[in-house]
Amino acid sequence: NAGVTQTPKFQVLKTGQSMTLQCAQDMNHEYMSWYRQDPGMGLRLIHYSVGAGITDQGEVPNGYNVSRSTTEDFPLRLLSAAPSQTSVYFCASSRQGAGELFFGEGSRLTVL
Amino acid sequence: AQSVTQLGSHVSVSEGALVLLRCNYSSSVPPYLFWYVQYPNQGLQLLLKYTTGATLVKGINGFEAEFKKSETSFHLTKPSAHMSDAAEYFCAVSANNFNKFYFGSGTKLNVKP
Repeated sequence: NAGVTQTPKFQVLKTGQSMTLQCAQDMNHEYMSWYRQDPGMGLRLIHYSVGAGITDQGEVPNGYNVSRSTTEDFPLRLLSAAPSQTSVYFCASSRQGAGELFFGEGSRLTVL
Repeated sequence: AQSVTQLGSHVSVSEGALVLLRCNYSSSVPPYLFWYVQYPNQGLQLLLKYTTGATLVKGINGFEAEFKKSETSFHLTKPSAHMSDAAEYFCAVSANNFNKFYFGSGTKLNVKP
C-alpha cells in the first residue's frame, strides 16, 4: 500500500551542488508530476509526464530536469542548486484523465 | 490561461460552526475544479472535485462545494467544524486533459474548541 514514495525527505545542499529527488509510484499511473510548495504561493507545477519517454514543462521548469524511463519512476534533477530552489517538493501521480492527484509526503530541500 | 484565487490565508472558526473557504477561478476553457487538504508534514489529498454534471459536489469528511459559473467561484463549505478539520486547504483548476493543475495559495483553517 505504498502509493507515491519520495526520497529523500530532507536534504541540505550548497549552492552549485547537484542532486536528484526520487519519486516512485506503484499504482501503474500513466501521469506523474513534480510541484514545489512555497509559503503563500501554493503549489506550482515544475514538470510532468503522461507516460514513459514523454515529459513536458510546467509553470516553473527552469533549473530542473526530468526523465521518465519507466512507468513507476519520475526523478527530478537539480543540476546546479540555487538558494531560490529552497522549497518543499511534491511528486504526484494520477491515472491519465482521472483528475485525481495522489501525492507523496514531500521532500524538504534547503540550498545554502 | 488558468488561475485560482483563495481569499483569506487564515480562517478561524469555533468547533461546531460553519466552515466557508472561498475560491475564485479564471479559465479560458471549461474549468475542472478541485479542493485538496494538507495536514501538517503530509502531502495533499483530494477532498472533492467538479468535472461535469451536478454543480453541488459532495466530498469526504462532510465537505461540499458549489460550482457557480456566473460568479467564477467554487467555495468550500462544511456545516459544522470539527477539531480534526484543522489543516490547510487548496483550491485548484485544470483543463479537461488534467495535465496541468493550477493551485491557489492555500487557506489555513484553525478550529477553536
